[in-house]
Amino acid sequence: GAVVSQHPSRVICKSGTSVKIECRSLDFQATTMFWYRQFPKQSLMLMATSNEGSKATYEQGVEKDKFLINHASLTLSTLTVTSAHPEDSSFYICSARDGNGKNIQYFGAGTRLSVL
Amino acid sequence: DAKTTQPPSMDCAEGRAANLPCNHSTISGNEYVYWYRQIHSQGPQYIIHGLKNNETNEMASLIITEDRKSSTLILPHATLRDTAVYYCIVRVANSGYALNFGKGTSLLVTP
Repeated sequence: GAVVSQHPSRVICKSGTSVKIECRSLDFQATTMFWYRQFPKQSLMLMATSNEGSKATYEQGVEKDKFLINHASLTLSTLTVTSAHPEDSSFYICSARDGNGKNIQYFGAGTRLSVL
Repeated sequence: DAKTTQPPSMDCAEGRAANLPCNHSTISGNEYVYWYRQIHSQGPQYIIHGLKNNETNEMASLIITEDRKSSTLILPHATLRDTAVYYCIVRVANSGYALNFGKGTSLLVTP
């Protein structure tokens, strides 16, 4: 299947710092990418939908000024957690939709964020 | 998207077939059944999807009942590496919206 690369896989940062997570579709163009968050023993929760060249659409309860999303090209979307706090510690997962025919969403390996 | 119901957990002996059921009684005519799995601390992995015919690929088989109200994902020879949470998701094929993940079935493959 198609490959979605997510980097970094793990990050530990101090409270108040900002963290950027990159998501790339390696072998297909993704006009739409999605960002999820997953807390321990819970299912994936959608944070936002990112469309290339336009502003992201955020789910209810997700602060757009705290979780900055940029989707500047058809193969790259970034999520920046600004002024991270311990409660932002979570597993962040990106996904890209392959719009050619099968409409399958492929997922990155995830980023484990730990805010001290 | 139509709602799906899966058992919270299942066990399977290594080498045996794992049959994971999913109920989707309110599925619409243009909605597909997708299966993903998530191995611990990894991103979800696409397995298979289908509309009404049975499907098979290198990972699994998908059996959809004639009335399409339920389906079964079959891992023909389960290995320890198949231990994961399996998600059954119903959605329109050309939807631009994100997949919504329920609680899935936690499959434990034992030696």
